[in-house]
Amino acid sequence: DSGVTQTPKHLITATGQRVTLRCSPRSGDLSVYWYQQSLDQGLQFLIQYYNGEERAKGNILERFSAQQFPDLHSELNLSSLELGDSALYFCASSARAGTPAETQYFGPGTRLLVL
Amino acid sequence: GDSVTQMEGPVTLSEEAFLTINCTYTATGYPSLFWYVQYPGEGLQLLLKATKADDKGSNKGFEATYRKETTSFHLEKGSVQVSDSAVYFCALSDKGAQKLVFGQGTRLTINP
Repeated sequence: DSGVTQTPKHLITATGQRVTLRCSPRSGDLSVYWYQQSLDQGLQFLIQYYNGEERAKGNILERFSAQQFPDLHSELNLSSLELGDSALYFCASSARAGTPAETQYFGPGTRLLVL
Repeated sequence: GDSVTQMEGPVTLSEEAFLTINCTYTATGYPSLFWYVQYPGEGLQLLLKATKADDKGSNKGFEATYRKETTSFHLEKGSVQVSDSAVYFCALSDKGAQKLVFGQGTRLTINP
């Protein structure tokens, strides 16, 4: 158990809908990362937050947004969903930011299926 | 941009066989290198890491050495077990951005 929790575990929805994925980092970790794992794109970095502020952005679609709250949990919002958004979404956390040697601890993921 | 290339899978071995999974990288600067493992139905777990050239990471019998001259970080284990069956990901974290860049993953199956 990494100490990172994600809810829900599974999500099934229809095209055009909007969903929210939730992540609670390990106790004491200030940095949260979101990754998408799909069959065709592999594991891709989406976005990072550090202590409530956006720190780095990857290949995140404009239909997707995220935030980190004062209690450090984070939410990833996916809107106008398309079939191609079906994937496993991982959240990871680390203690700090700006330290490339820092280990990121991954949650169990949320599996999203868009029908 | 930065990238990681892993040997294509799937890889199937017999128990007690020697394992090598190749990983090479392209990056500006001096990245930190990681191996993560994903067991069926689970998230990614850090297996080992190395943060500078010639460092050797090791854990649970797995080893990998950071080779700057060949830009490689190959994963090895002397004697694999059925419980090692999983997907293995090589990744780097560049100095400028703490995001992880992953290879495509290598599915390993160990037969008894």
